[in-house]
Amino acid sequence: AQKITQTQPGMFVQEKEAVTLDCTYDTSDQSYGLFWYKQPSSGEMIFLIYQGSYDEQNATEGRYSLNFQKARKSANLVISASQLGDSAMYFCAMREVLSGGYNKLIFGAGTRLAVHP
Amino acid sequence: EAGVTQFPSHSVIEKGQTVTLRCDPISGHDNLYWYRRVMGKEIKFLLHFVKESKQDESGMPNNRFLAERTGGTYSTLKVQPAELEDSGVYFCASSTRHSTNEKLFFGSGTQLSVL
Repeated sequence: AQKITQTQPGMFVQEKEAVTLDCTYDTSDQSYGLFWYKQPSSGEMIFLIYQGSYDEQNATEGRYSLNFQKARKSANLVISASQLGDSAMYFCAMREVLSGGYNKLIFGAGTRLAVHP
Repeated sequence: EAGVTQFPSHSVIEKGQTVTLRCDPISGHDNLYWYRRVMGKEIKFLLHFVKESKQDESGMPNNRFLAERTGGTYSTLKVQPAELEDSGVYFCASSTRHSTNEKLFFGSGTQLSVL
């Protein structure tokens, strides 16, 4: 069965520094996708970044980058130049492809990030 | 363009009562998903609609949960009768068509507390 593991329940970082949020996954599929979502205190889940298993380059979206190490089955999120507004819950997720081609996301337990001034 | 909206944002009910959660997806999104996060645990899939049809309801905990999406627009999730373990945050998400990098747009969730 597919599984996502986020081992850091909480992290803190100084403003303007970089931080890495860990995510490891387990799957027997050759084709899969990995996502990171951010959940601020307002509650909504915000899509941050996506990495496909066949993508040769690590995904980047502004200050977010995904350190994808396929052999180690890890997909860590790197946030550069942290801002106070980055304080939130962060979820790593993997796409599970169902019959008919439909998708279902498998989530990790999340990491709460606190950015200190 | 309006995002995914969920109502109510919070609901506090007593064990044995009925609660109905509503989700309005982004207009034109055929796929609608319900997820749930119990305190401190992973966000778990509940079910998936494609338009008005239930594509996958394998995550529904038991028959006290009933989801509908009449007309393929908004969806409701009814819990009847509610139990203590039903407490958690219920998220709704929608997307256009399924693809390898299908991006789900989530609502802000409904915080359900069963006392």
